[in-house]
Amino acid sequence: GAVVSQHPSWVICKSGTSVKIECRSLDFQATTMFWYRQFPKQSLMLMATSNEGSKATYEQGVEKDKFLINHASLTLSTLTVTSAHPEDSSFYICSARDSRGDEKLFFGSGTQLSVL
Amino acid sequence: QKEVEQDPGPLSVPEGAIVSLNCTYSNSAFQYFMWYRQYSRKGPELLMYTYSSGNKEDGRFTAQVDKSSKYISLFIRDSQPSDSATYLCAMSLNSGNTPLVFGKGTRLSVIA
Repeated sequence: GAVVSQHPSWVICKSGTSVKIECRSLDFQATTMFWYRQFPKQSLMLMATSNEGSKATYEQGVEKDKFLINHASLTLSTLTVTSAHPEDSSFYICSARDSRGDEKLFFGSGTQLSVL
Repeated sequence: QKEVEQDPGPLSVPEGAIVSLNCTYSNSAFQYFMWYRQYSRKGPELLMYTYSSGNKEDGRFTAQVDKSSKYISLFIRDSQPSDSATYLCAMSLNSGNTPLVFGKGTRLSVIA
């Protein structure tokens, strides 16, 4: 299957700092990528849909000024958690579809964010 | 009623057992159905992908879709301890850029 690379795998930061997470599709182009967060023993919660060359679409309740998404190319989307606070600590996962393909969605390995 | 219902478990079975995982859904417009396996602190891995009603088999895994009942299943034969993970069902409308709708996931433990 297609490969989606996400890094870093984990990050620990102080409250108030910003953290950037990268998501790359390695062997396909993705006009659309999706960002999820997941709390322990919970399912995936969609945060936003990232569209190459345009603004991201955020789900209700997700602060777009806090979670900045940039999708500058067909193979790279980034999520920046600005002024992170302990309540932002979570597991963040990106996913992507092959632009030429079907409905299959491939996921990155996830990023565990811990804000102290 | 939630769009996708999935029993969270946990489900514990002995090694070698046949496992049955299920999801029901309410939106008859869903066209594509998927099963993902997620190990702890890892991203979900696509296991099975189906379109339309019927069965699809891949090794020890069989995915079943019954659109008339709005019910999908994943069967795991000869379960192994390495199958211990959370299994998420997911489904999609017939539109390229819509996000998947996920079930809550079922935690499975296969005991050696």
